[in-house]
Amino acid sequence: AQTVTQSQPEMSVQEAETVTLSCTYDTSESDYYLFWYKQPPSRQMILVIRQEAYKQQNATENRFSVNFQKAAKSFSLKISDSQLGDAAMYFCAYRSAYGGANNLFFGTGTRLTVIP
Amino acid sequence: EPEVTQTPSHQVTQMGQEVILRCVPISNHLYFYWYRQILGQKVEFLVSFYNNEISEKSEIFDDQFSVERPDGSNFTLKIRSTKLEDSAMYFCASKDWEQGPLNEQFFGPGTRLTVL
Repeated sequence: AQTVTQSQPEMSVQEAETVTLSCTYDTSESDYYLFWYKQPPSRQMILVIRQEAYKQQNATENRFSVNFQKAAKSFSLKISDSQLGDAAMYFCAYRSAYGGANNLFFGTGTRLTVIP
Repeated sequence: EPEVTQTPSHQVTQMGQEVILRCVPISNHLYFYWYRQILGQKVEFLVSFYNNEISEKSEIFDDQFSVERPDGSNFTLKIRSTKLEDSAMYFCASKDWEQGPLNEQFFGPGTRLTVL
């Protein structure tokens, strides 16, 4: 079974600085997708960024980028120029490339605090 | 922008009672999901639903749980006889198959279930 591990329950960053959130996963599959979701307080989870395992190039979405290391099964999220609105729970998630429904496997989350 | 909605936001019930959690997925989405998160633990997959039937379910989703799409817009999760350990945040999600293999699951804000 796939497992996703986020070893940092809490992180903090100064506004305008850069922070990296860690995620590792375990799978025997060769093709899969990885995601970072953001959950602001009392709001629904929204997708921040996604990565296809067969792509070597790291995904980037504006201030958000990932460092995908397939051999190490590592998928970290870097937030540059942190803003107050980035404060939230961040969940790393895995999804198999096989099948139709494709449920997500989540990590336990990292609570990010942005210090003004 | 269309959103997944869930009601109620918080449900308190006595152990042994039946509860129904309601979700309205994004219209024209084809896949529907329930996840739960026990406080301090990871978000866990419960069940996926496609074409009016369960497509996948986890070992958590035992005979006490059932899902239904009663009227083409609502998607419900029923717990027949609640236990203390059912206390959790329950998230509904939906997905549009037409968006391709990276199609995103859109999450609702969750229902916090407290079993006393």
